[in-house]
Amino acid sequence: DAEITQSPRHKITETGRQVTLACHQTWNHNNMFWYRQDLGHGLRLIHYSYGVQDTNKGEVSDGYSVSRSNTEDLPLTLESAASSQTSVYFCASSRDRMNTEAFFGQGTRLTVV
Amino acid sequence: AQTVTQSQPEMSVQEAETVTLSCTYDTSESDYYLFWYKQPPSRQMILVIRQEAYKQQNATENRFSVNFQKAAKSFSLKISDSQLGDAAMYFCAYRTRSYNTDKLIFGTGTRLQVFP
Repeated sequence: DAEITQSPRHKITETGRQVTLACHQTWNHNNMFWYRQDLGHGLRLIHYSYGVQDTNKGEVSDGYSVSRSNTEDLPLTLESAASSQTSVYFCASSRDRMNTEAFFGQGTRLTVV
Repeated sequence: AQTVTQSQPEMSVQEAETVTLSCTYDTSESDYYLFWYKQPPSRQMILVIRQEAYKQQNATENRFSVNFQKAAKSFSLKISDSQLGDAAMYFCAYRTRSYNTDKLIFGTGTRLQVFP
């Protein structure tokens, strides 16, 4: 079955370290998204991509970067982890801009100490 | 910019009863999608129901139904015959129906407790 997977599921890192969260989907979807979930804020969009070599900033993109070198993967990098980036991160994908349903990964809980 | 507001941080309901979760949104667009997602303790985001703004008929999925009031920009979720498994965070979300953009915008969520 096609799916979207995130790794790792849990990670603890130190302030100032670079961290990369992986997202891999097997639906061949064009669109991929990264969100962070924080209490009282719901899910907020970090970065998104509409296809290979395309990346766009969301509402909370500072301190994060993404790259899209193939259809299946959209890794999220925290350049220098900060305690404010402690959160649960979700990756999602959808087929195209006119398709209604987005599919979510299981989430990655990141703790920055 | 579009915004989604869920004014009820927590709600509770007794098993077999009915509960309504509120959602309002702000947009200048005329065509869009609205969704309710359920997030159980497993963290998985599960699509509960969707509504296309151009459809006047309210969407229904088994025990879940919506009251979509386009002029009032309101999109509430009604859960009938509540079950213990309905306990979760519920998120309302807005999505532009446009070729040029594709983003889901979420509300802050409502935590639903179900009591036996």
